[in-house]
Amino acid sequence: GQSLEQPSEVTAVEGAIVQINCTYQTSGFYGLSWYQQHDGGAPTFLSYNALDGLEETGRFSSFLSRSDSYGYLLLQELQMKDSASYFCAVDTGRRALTFGSGTRLQVQP
Amino acid sequence: DTEVTQTPKHLVMGMTNKKSLKCEQHMGHRAMYWYKQKAKKPPELMFVYSYEKLSINESVPSRFSPECPNSSLLNLHLHALQPEDSALYLCASSHGTSGRKTQYFGPGTRLLVL
Repeated sequence: GQSLEQPSEVTAVEGAIVQINCTYQTSGFYGLSWYQQHDGGAPTFLSYNALDGLEETGRFSSFLSRSDSYGYLLLQELQMKDSASYFCAVDTGRRALTFGSGTRLQVQP
Repeated sequence: DTEVTQTPKHLVMGMTNKKSLKCEQHMGHRAMYWYKQKAKKPPELMFVYSYEKLSINESVPSRFSPECPNSSLLNLHLHALQPEDSALYLCASSHGTSGRKTQYFGPGTRLLVL
């Protein structure tokens, strides 16, 4: 079967750096995506890693280690608007994403 | 235009009703998806359409019936639903079904079944 594990909740203060981890066990693996979802909103794409290493997009970075079946999303210079749920999702090659259970990030002033 | 639109935004229906959810995108995407999302849970894949053909049905009960009339439109027909079907129904689209292709989600239809 497929399993993706993320912490259920993370709390941090404005201006800080936070890392949200994702470990996965899937029958196939082509890449790891991250999506952000605000309460009452739609998921929005943040990043995709197919190869090992760090991808940086502004304040957000995403890392992948295929040998460790592990990735993380790094959020820097946290802002209140970053309070949301963050989902990792694996591309197993079956033409659809498998989503993790999600991490609820609360940013405090 | 990177927008996926969904109508209606909210829907309340009885267990004997028939209703339809609609989704539209004009980004030229050839893959479209229906997801179901319960509160504080991840989106669960229901159906995938690729080039207007159903390519994945995640063993969804037949009371949910998808339809893709053309490359821009996706419908979800609902009939004889149960209260446990109450959820947020999300539509998404992407250039292709490869996971490296970004999925663009609509705002969802919040469904309540009484």
